[in-house]
Amino acid sequence: KNQVEQSPQSLIILEGKNCTLQCNYTVSPFSNLRWYKQDTGRGPVSLTIMTFSENTKSNGRYTATLDADTKQSSLHITASQLSDSASYICVVSAQNAGNMLTFGGGTRLMVKP
Amino acid sequence: DVKVTQSSRYLVKRTGEKVFLECVQDMDHENMFWYRQDPGLGLRLIYFSYDVKMKEKGDIPEGYSVSREKKERFSLILESASTNQTSMYLCASKVFSGVNQPQHFGDGTRLSIL
Repeated sequence: KNQVEQSPQSLIILEGKNCTLQCNYTVSPFSNLRWYKQDTGRGPVSLTIMTFSENTKSNGRYTATLDADTKQSSLHITASQLSDSASYICVVSAQNAGNMLTFGGGTRLMVKP
Repeated sequence: DVKVTQSSRYLVKRTGEKVFLECVQDMDHENMFWYRQDPGLGLRLIYFSYDVKMKEKGDIPEGYSVSREKKERFSLILESASTNQTSMYLCASKVFSGVNQPQHFGDGTRLSIL
């Protein structure tokens, strides 16, 4: 069964600090992995997408990595800001799965002043 | 920018009622989706549609139906609401072509069934 596991479930950091969120998946055959940010009371918004051949992709202070061999991805946030407080969801797509995605349970990040 | 609009942010209904959740997108996307989001379970796909009048079951279709009479509008119907359908419901849309295109989400409807 395709699964996506995220860790930690929740995280509290101080403003200005860095943090790394983890995503492990068992989706096969792999097509792509996407990180979404979901602010409280809002829908998820795409941050990055990574395909099999990519191992790093950045979007401002967000950097995603992918190790397709170990089926792991991470999202690194640099110099955190209060506005980074949100849930971060890892989503994996399988080849030939059409519109069926496998969602992780998310990591809830709180950035404190 | 893609805009996906869900008609209600909060909704309170009673057990047994027929409930309609409406979603409209403004980017002429072919694909539209309904998910529910529960703490610890992530997003789970209820139904999706890849064209007008077309629908496919997702992972948890039981107790739900959908309607897509126009390309821009996708409705989720709870035929007889039950308390276990209390949840956050998210609608999304996506352009048909391109497996790497993202789904664009609305801001959700928080539904409470009493």
